[in-house]
Amino acid sequence: EAGVAQSPRYKIIEKRQSVAFWCNPISGHATLYWYQQILGQGPKLLIQFQNNGVVDDSQLPKDRFSAERLKGVDSTLKIQPAKLEDSAVYLCASSRGQASYEQYFGPGTRLTVT
Amino acid sequence: AQRVTQPEKLLSVFKGAPVELKCNYSYSGSPELFWYVQYSRQRLQLLLRHISRESIKGFTADLNKGETSFHLKKPFAQEEDSAMYYCALTRGASYDKVIFGPGTSLSVIP
Repeated sequence: EAGVAQSPRYKIIEKRQSVAFWCNPISGHATLYWYQQILGQGPKLLIQFQNNGVVDDSQLPKDRFSAERLKGVDSTLKIQPAKLEDSAVYLCASSRGQASYEQYFGPGTRLTVT
Repeated sequence: AQRVTQPEKLLSVFKGAPVELKCNYSYSGSPELFWYVQYSRQRLQLLLRHISRESIKGFTADLNKGETSFHLKKPFAQEEDSAMYYCALTRGASYDKVIFGPGTSLSVIP
């Protein structure tokens, strides 16, 4: 089966600019996750969708980050405006159902904010 | 709050030597523990989970609730084991988020 797809793979922006990331999960996977991985740290969950509903967004900085999963398939994560500390790899993952540990990860988008 | 710690950022061992990657966690309930691995230029992937009690690629991990540890072990390291290893925890409930440790970079020296 095709894996989780993400684009772009790399993005460089200046602070206060906006950026959007796209994720296409594995076909049939109901749950989709966005993680932020800062250099030297493990992935941190930003938001988790079950189909097109939000299950957990407790660690999403809602003043600048937003995410949506229209039609319960693809998802976009947006940052507006970006700060220097947003520089990180943004990982998308998906899982078939409720067992959140069986996650399949995408290649990630490396964001650099200058 | 749940937390996962991995005390070693970097670990180097010689090929054929035993390897142990340490993981400690804090959670008062009965967590589910996992190890994820990321090989160079590859995606993060699940290596093993404690409930399965399985050996994957020669690796095993035992959950020690008394010491709140879930160390990953392999008796004879191979060069292809060089990778980034992340210990992770979930409380086990449906839809519960996975909390990752900071990771240990394992380098196996030929």
